[in-house]
Amino acid sequence: GNSVTQMEGPVTLSEEAFLTINCTYTATGYPSLFWYVQYPGEGLQLLLKATKADDKGSNKGFEATYRKETTSFHLEKGSVQVSDSAVYFCALSDSGNTPLVFGKGTRLSVIA
Amino acid sequence: GAVVSQHPSRVICKSGTSVKIECRSLDFQATTMFWYRQFPKQSLMLMATSNEGSKATYEQGVEKDKFLINHASLTLSTLTVTSAHPEDSSFYICSAYSTGVGGYTFGSGTRLTVV
Repeated sequence: GNSVTQMEGPVTLSEEAFLTINCTYTATGYPSLFWYVQYPGEGLQLLLKATKADDKGSNKGFEATYRKETTSFHLEKGSVQVSDSAVYFCALSDSGNTPLVFGKGTRLSVIA
Repeated sequence: GAVVSQHPSRVICKSGTSVKIECRSLDFQATTMFWYRQFPKQSLMLMATSNEGSKATYEQGVEKDKFLINHASLTLSTLTVTSAHPEDSSFYICSAYSTGVGGYTFGSGTRLTVV
């Protein structure tokens, strides 16, 4: 079945540091890939997505590129802020109308 | 953008009572609603998938008689935790899917505490 593996946290960075959160996937077809962010006590917010190979999703300074050859969708940000502290989930979807498959989540803490 | 309104955000109930959680899609119609459960510091676990007007499909290990899901309209889905016990305490999140909005929209979650 489909699965998502993302790096274990927690990750602690200083403000303005470079962020990478690794995510790899296993899927039988050509899934859509997503990054979601969850702030404490809240639901999930879509951060970015990519629907086909070599697509780059970007939002709020975050980027991730759909790499079919390495089955990866690593999340990056050049300069993190304290407000980026949250839990980040990588996810995939086989097709519309099917449930998202989530990774375990990576907790990011950014300190001033 | 698309919004799913989930209520209540927090609820405390006594053991043995039932609790209903509502998710409403605002300004769009949700063909499918997914219900997830999240334990502290863990990922989301899919509980069930519901389509408007039909019975929900439950994941293995999820008791359908305990977690009643109703998707009576394209804008409303409810999850009722029946005869709640402390082990049902968790964070419950709904997610609506709509081709019209291009994907999945999550509710803000419900923190259930059973005492």
